Amino acid sequence: SSELTQDPAVSVALGQTVRITCQGDGLRSSYASWYQQKPGQAPLLVFFGESNRPSGIPDRFSGSRSGNTASLTITGAQAEDEADYYCNSRDSSGHLPFVFGTGTKVTVL
Amino acid sequence: EVQLVETGGGLIQPGGSLRLSCAVSGFTVSSKYMSWVRQAPGKGLEWVTIIYSGGTTYYADSVKGRFTISRDNSENTLSLQMNSLRVDDTAVYFCARVTVRPRGDDAVDMWGQGTRVTVSS
Repeated sequence: SSELTQDPAVSVALGQTVRITCQGDGLRSSYASWYQQKPGQAPLLVFFGESNRPSGIPDRFSGSRSGNTASLTITGAQAEDEADYYCNSRDSSGHLPFVFGTGTKVTVL
Repeated sequence: EVQLVETGGGLIQPGGSLRLSCAVSGFTVSSKYMSWVRQAPGKGLEWVTIIYSGGTTYYADSVKGRFTISRDNSENTLSLQMNSLRVDDTAVYFCARVTVRPRGDDAVDMWGQGTRVTVSS
């Protein structure tokens, strides 16, 4: 299966902007979806497709795609945004139709 | 209310079997793509298996031939039969709904709280 690669960890100062990237060949033809996971909790969908934010997700979360890279941007990061973030996208090369990224730990300083 | 509730996890010896169930409310299990995703301790999310609304199933290479996904339309539940369990199957298993769209803006838009499976002697 193809891979989606994410930076293992990033940090951001409170109120500043952080971008989380997800890289993979499949992203050239498919959108990514993004999930926030806090310790001991199930993942939560925070952004998907070209411009979709689920109900209840703050508008400080936004997404984009360029070439083989998808990005999730948190504009004005809050303390409650500290979590692990995973991307997901279609995978035409493996036995499963989807693949998760490796995950990024976001620390809000 | 849309809800997924998993049951069936526990401690099992290597080589044993376990059946996980996911009770679905708020929508019909047969109308959606449904999946099991797992997370080993301290690790990332991993797709285990998915069943399409039409019944097509897919499995990760690591579980193919050992795990079976199924659904009970009358009970509106999703199940995962896990046989020949190995130590590296130890994980929290999440039941999840996948919404697939023609434009490719797919999303795992509903997750259960997860059930822990520990394979150890």
